[in-house]
Order: sequence, then C-alpha cells, then structure tokens
Amino acid sequence: AQSVTQPDIHITVSEGASLELRCNYSYGATPYLFWYVQSPGQGLQLLLKYFSGDTLVQGIKGFEAEFKRSQSSFNLRKPSVHWSDAAEYFCAVGAENNDMRFGAGTRLTVKP
Amino acid sequence: KAGVTQTPRYLIKTRGQQVTLSCSPISGHRSVSWYQQTPGQGLQFLFEYFSETQRNKGNFPGRFSGRQFSNSRSEMNVSTLELGDSALYLCASSLLGQKQTQYFGPGTRLLVL
Repeated sequence: AQSVTQPDIHITVSEGASLELRCNYSYGATPYLFWYVQSPGQGLQLLLKYFSGDTLVQGIKGFEAEFKRSQSSFNLRKPSVHWSDAAEYFCAVGAENNDMRFGAGTRLTVKP
Repeated sequence: KAGVTQTPRYLIKTRGQQVTLSCSPISGHRSVSWYQQTPGQGLQFLFEYFSETQRNKGNFPGRFSGRQFSNSRSEMNVSTLELGDSALYLCASSLLGQKQTQYFGPGTRLLVL
C-alpha cells in the first residue's frame, strides 16, 4: 500500500524568504502525487499534481514541486513566501483505485 | 462551474445518535470519495463511490456507511455515534474513476457530545 511522510510538522519562515516543504512517498508503481493546501476550517485546495512527464511541475499561487524518483520525493517549493501562504500543506499519493493517502501535513507560519 | 458542496457545514450530535452528511460533486464528476480528518489521525480515507457503487473502502467500522445516487450526489451515514467520531468530514469528487485529481469540498464539522 502507498504511504506518505512529511517530516516537518511545523515550519516558520519570514515573509519574502524561500520555502521548501518535504514529502517522501512509498508506492510500488508509478505514483500520482499531489500537494494540497488547507486554511483553517476549510477544505483542501489543489496546488499542483504530478502524473507523468516533466518532473518539475508548476502549480497555482507560485508553487512548484519536483518529482525525484531516485529519492522517492516530491518536495514543494516557493521562491518568495507571502503572509497569505500561512496554512497547512498536505502531500498525497494516489493509487490506481483512487485511494489517496495523505501525509500528516506541515503547518506553515509566516513571520512578518 | 460550482465546486463540491457539502451540507450541513456544522453539526452537533450526542453519543448514540446517528448522522447523515451530504455531498454534491462538481457537475459531471461521477466519483465521490469521503475522508475523515482529525488532529490525531490526520486525513483518513473512508470510501469511494463511482456510478452508485462503492468501489473502495477504508479501514473504518461498519457504523460508517454511504451511498451514491444516480445524479452522483452522495451521502454518508454514521450510526451510534461515539465521541471519537468528532471530526471534519471531507468529500472529494473526480471526473471519472481512476487516476483522477480529486477536488474537495469545504467539509462538515461534526461534534459529538
């Protein structure tokens, strides 16, 4: 079965600084990988996804992620963080049968 | 195009009661999945429905059930509520069945007293 690990429970960055959120997955076949963002009391919003092809994927709000098969990683990056990016971020891996497994999430705090 | 809608948004129940939550997928989407989100367990997959059939089920007791109607709307039911069922219940829809991006609704916040 697939699984996802997000090693960082909480990250604090200053506004304008760069950001990298880590995600490692375990899955026997080609994974379908996603990053979602959740603001307090809200549902999950899709930031970006990787199914196949170019390993560097661009998403909304200036986010990007890189799929590295050799490292089983799908890290999320943003060159310059805005205060509105403060939220919880979830990495997820999808299987053929649409059963998605989520990481525990990384809570991002942005310092002014 | 309207997003996934869930009703009600908030719900308070007492132990032993039952509850029904509703989810309307994005127009044209035929797959609906349900997830439970709690601070302790995170996001956990409950079940998935496609064309009115439950196709996949997570590791939850039989008190959790669901169904899907011909218009793809879905309901989930929890019987004999326990305190531990307090959670945010999220519904997600996708266009077809497999290998599809799931789009989430805002969730129903259930509090069991």
